[in-house]
Amino acid sequence: GQSLEQPSEVTAVEGAIVQINCTYQTSGFYGLSWYQQHDGGAPTFLSYNALDGLEETGRFSSFLSRSDSYGYLLLQELQMKDSASYFCAAPNTGGFKTIFGAGTRLFVKA
Amino acid sequence: EAQVTQNPRYLITVTGKKLTVTCSQNMNHEYMSWYRQDPGLGLRQIYYSMNVEVTDKGDVPEGYKVSRKEKRNFPLILESPSPNQTSLYFCASSSQGYEQYFGPGTRLTVT
Repeated sequence: GQSLEQPSEVTAVEGAIVQINCTYQTSGFYGLSWYQQHDGGAPTFLSYNALDGLEETGRFSSFLSRSDSYGYLLLQELQMKDSASYFCAAPNTGGFKTIFGAGTRLFVKA
Repeated sequence: EAQVTQNPRYLITVTGKKLTVTCSQNMNHEYMSWYRQDPGLGLRQIYYSMNVEVTDKGDVPEGYKVSRKEKRNFPLILESPSPNQTSLYFCASSSQGYEQYFGPGTRLTVT
């Protein structure tokens, strides 16, 4: 079937670096997006990788390897406000049909 | 301000009573979509629309209807709601598909 797999929870300390992985199995893969969602809020777009390699946006970076069907979101200099759920997402049939991973809950501790 | 709006934000209803959740965007996006979010399951796509009068099923379309008569609006219709449709619903819009802007969500409870 078509799916994106992510760890359910990750815990890290303030100021550290954390990596959230996403492995995918989809047809017609176009790229991998990442979203952040705070409790009670809506998902907000963080980044998108269409090509292999690293995309950097401030403290957040995202990586894609098509050959490994794998991507990750890297958060640096963690802050308490980074505590949230993070979702990877991919269009899966060549159109705008989109599937999401189940999400990774990040806990940042002081 | 660029935004996606949904109404109502909270709704409690009874089984079988038809309801509509409205969604509107002011960014002139061609693509709009509806998702439901349930604990441990992430976001699951219900329906999406690539333009006016063009809609298609997502992964969980059963029990839902949509229409896209205007570019800015994409209402979600539950003709006969059932308790298993109790969920948090999000509308989203996008110009590209990979960068979606989400509305604030509608929390629906069906008793």
